[in-house]
Amino acid sequence: AQKVTQTQTSISVMEKTTVTMDCVYETRDSSYFLFWYKQTASGEIVFLIRQDSYKKENATEGHYSLNFQKPKSSIGLIITATQIEDSAVYFCAMRGYGNEKITFGAGTKLTIKP
Amino acid sequence: NSKVIQTPRYLVKGQGQKAKMRCIPEKGHPVVFWYQQNKNNEFKFLINFQNQEVLQQIDMTEKRFSAECPSNSPCSLEIQSSEAGDSALYLCASSLSGNTLYFGEGSRLIVV
Repeated sequence: AQKVTQTQTSISVMEKTTVTMDCVYETRDSSYFLFWYKQTASGEIVFLIRQDSYKKENATEGHYSLNFQKPKSSIGLIITATQIEDSAVYFCAMRGYGNEKITFGAGTKLTIKP
Repeated sequence: NSKVIQTPRYLVKGQGQKAKMRCIPEKGHPVVFWYQQNKNNEFKFLINFQNQEVLQQIDMTEKRFSAECPSNSPCSLEIQSSEAGDSALYLCASSLSGNTLYFGEGSRLIVV
């Protein structure tokens, strides 16, 4: 069975700073895919970034990057130079290679203060 | 703007009534997922399809939930007899390969 755990319920940081959100996962699959999404106040869910387990290099996409620590089953999301519009709920998700289902964590609410 | 189209945006149903939601996936995406998101933001996987075939689904033994993705028609999720606990945001997402998901805006069901 797959499990995704986000222990930070909410985080608040000042604008233009860097924030890291934690995520740990459990899977029996040797290959898997990890994702981060954000859900805005309007309810829109947007894909941000993805890490394939076989890739050693951390994924980056604009001002998003990942801290993939495979031995710790951890995939942290790093947002640099945060902006007010980054305020949202961020979800970590995973899919094991042998599993058709994508499992989501409970989410971390990020508030960016001016 | 989302390219996955979900209708209706809101549904209000009485207990015992049927509720039906539709989803048009992004063009060219053969994989469709349905999730239920509760008031605590938790995602519950319901079912997914590749074209018209079910890939995986939760145990719908209550038989109140059914879903299909017919060829050349929108996908749909139907609750035969709504219960208060079904009140949630129902999210449809499509995917090219079953990995990265692109979500619609959701259909919010309120059961009164």
